[in-house]
Amino acid sequence: ETGVTQSPTHLIKTRGQQVTLRCSSQSGHNTVSWYQQALGQGPQFIFQYYREEENGRGNFPPRFSGLQFPNYSSELNVNALELDDSALYLCASSSRQATNEKLFFGSGTQLSVL
Amino acid sequence: AQSVTQPDIHITVSEGASLELRCNYSYGATPYLFWYVQSPGQGLQLLLKYFSGDTLVQGIKGFEAEFKRSQSSFNLRKPSVHWSDAAEYFCALGRGSNYKLTFGKGTLLTVNP
Repeated sequence: ETGVTQSPTHLIKTRGQQVTLRCSSQSGHNTVSWYQQALGQGPQFIFQYYREEENGRGNFPPRFSGLQFPNYSSELNVNALELDDSALYLCASSSRQATNEKLFFGSGTQLSVL
Repeated sequence: AQSVTQPDIHITVSEGASLELRCNYSYGATPYLFWYVQSPGQGLQLLLKYFSGDTLVQGIKGFEAEFKRSQSSFNLRKPSVHWSDAAEYFCALGRGSNYKLTFGKGTLLTVNP
């Protein structure tokens, strides 16, 4: 149990719709990263948020956006869903102040786009 | 550009046998290297990490990995596999411990009784 919780656990959407995924970071963590894991692939870095600002982005289009709130929880928003957006979306939290930093991953949200 | 290659998509071993999962990386500087394990429907759990220093790294659950700069490799080993080790294993590298990890495609481990 990592203390990182994601909701919902499963979601079904249709092409063109918009979706919001949520992540509550582990207590004391101020940094949240989002990853997309397509079937049979390793996770791919989407972006990271630190103190409510985007702090690095992977090779994802602008229709992938995010937010981080003052309590360090985070949302991932995807607009104009495409079939290829079907994947497991993982959230990971960490603390920049930790002397032995590491990522703590949630169990993910499984998104299916029909 | 950085990349991680895990040459073996699927490995099957017998319980009690030794295990080695291969990982090769491409990176222009000294890498931060990680091994994660993922059970079905679960997130990723960190097994071990290498930042610097001793090239043989000990992790949880009896796993170890050896960093070989000359071969750009970071192979994961376990002397005796247990049935509960069946899972998918991912090698990853990054510029820091919590910043933009690049993952390999994973190796699925099956353990036969």
